[in-house]
Amino acid sequence: DAGVTQSPTHLIKTRGQHVTLRCSPISGHKSVSWYQQVLGQGPQFIFQYYEKEERGRGNFPDRFSARQFPNYSSELNVNALLLGDSALYLCASSRTGASNQPQHFGDGTRLSIL
Amino acid sequence: GQQVMQIPQYQHVQEGEDFTTYCNSSTTLSNIQWYKQRPGGHPVFLIQLVKSGEVKKQKRLTFQFGEAKKNSSLHITATQTTDVGTYFCAGYAGGTSYGKLTFGQGTILTVHP
Repeated sequence: DAGVTQSPTHLIKTRGQHVTLRCSPISGHKSVSWYQQVLGQGPQFIFQYYEKEERGRGNFPDRFSARQFPNYSSELNVNALLLGDSALYLCASSRTGASNQPQHFGDGTRLSIL
Repeated sequence: GQQVMQIPQYQHVQEGEDFTTYCNSSTTLSNIQWYKQRPGGHPVFLIQLVKSGEVKKQKRLTFQFGEAKKNSSLHITATQTTDVGTYFCAGYAGGTSYGKLTFGQGTILTVHP
């Protein structure tokens, strides 16, 4: 089975623009979580979705939003991009999103803001 | 909010030496997970600890969860060059923090042959 897939792999944007990142979970996984990883730090939780409902939200501004589709894929949207949004954005899936399940990560989208 | 701290930030060892990384949470955890991220790669799940005082082993890797469920450690015996990478602990606080897995900043391990 394919793992978690994310697109695009790399993206360059300028300040003030918006971006949409996409994620397809492992087949059979109904929960998707999004993380931001700044160079030299651990992944920071942004959102978790399960069955198209937001189940958890980290300490990120309202410029960050996400949604999950009926096929369990997900999009992360970031508006009014700032230089500080430059990071690796990771998507992770799990069967139900329960806390006792491992997160399966994709390779991420490297976002650079100029 | 919940914080998870890891030490050391970096560890350089000669192949064959042992390695330990420590993880401390500001709050009691319902469980803790460990991940490994190779350079240029994504985090890969290693193991989960749930019970107070739990110890689990995977070949040369030994994972411990503290009695108070606020700290954890990963010990690698006789490191190999394949052990190179960043090791992260990540904890769930439970309760209203549903879905929120909090990662430590990681320990970067380099192994010299």
